[in-house]
Amino acid sequence: DQQVKQNSPSLSVQEGRISILNCDYTNSMFDYFLWYKKYPAEGPTFLISISSIKDKNEDGRFTVFLNKSAKHLSLHIVPSQPGDSAVYFCAAIYSGTYKYIFGTGTRLKVLA
Amino acid sequence: GAGVSQSPSNKVTEKGKDVELRCDPISGHTALYWYRQRLGQGLEFLIYFQGNSAPDKSGLPSDRFSAERTGESVSTLTIQRTQQEDSAVYLCASSADVDHGEKLFFGSGTQLSVL
Repeated sequence: DQQVKQNSPSLSVQEGRISILNCDYTNSMFDYFLWYKKYPAEGPTFLISISSIKDKNEDGRFTVFLNKSAKHLSLHIVPSQPGDSAVYFCAAIYSGTYKYIFGTGTRLKVLA
Repeated sequence: GAGVSQSPSNKVTEKGKDVELRCDPISGHTALYWYRQRLGQGLEFLIYFQGNSAPDKSGLPSDRFSAERTGESVSTLTIQRTQQEDSAVYLCASSADVDHGEKLFFGSGTQLSVL
């Protein structure tokens, strides 16, 4: 049972435009969400996170939105740059646990 | 070191052989995780270590898989009698605290190919 789903395996965006990556989850107990970025032959690196008490968190060009009623979060990258081309994973966890549940990833390609 | 170190970076083995993968976490990080990513799939939780507590082995796919950690340092993941379905990238991650929300720091992974 996939508790965290990223239904788009890939996305192509023109440089300078907005990239929107989506993530859905099924477990309403999740109360903390993270996005990781992964380049080829490297491990995932932390990008941005959001607590369930918030609906938005912004860090520079990256903003994460959380819609708890829809059990949906999204990562917005504005403006997109070629260096943003990578695989993006969303992950979720809930209080009292330590097991991060990851989605299958979305491969973003930013075209110059 | 400055980051999580994994070795080897690549391992090719024959079906039925045993393999051992190594992870050096960030110094001072008490929590250590092993994840696996098979082709086209997400990161699959394998095992979790926290200090001297009993590890959570609930993600290990079979009894051919085992892992050890010495205190709060090096961990080894051993796969016995490897099968082709074991082919994957094995990722190790560490974090500073068991509290949720403490982000994970990943190594570059070991690409395991079982022929």
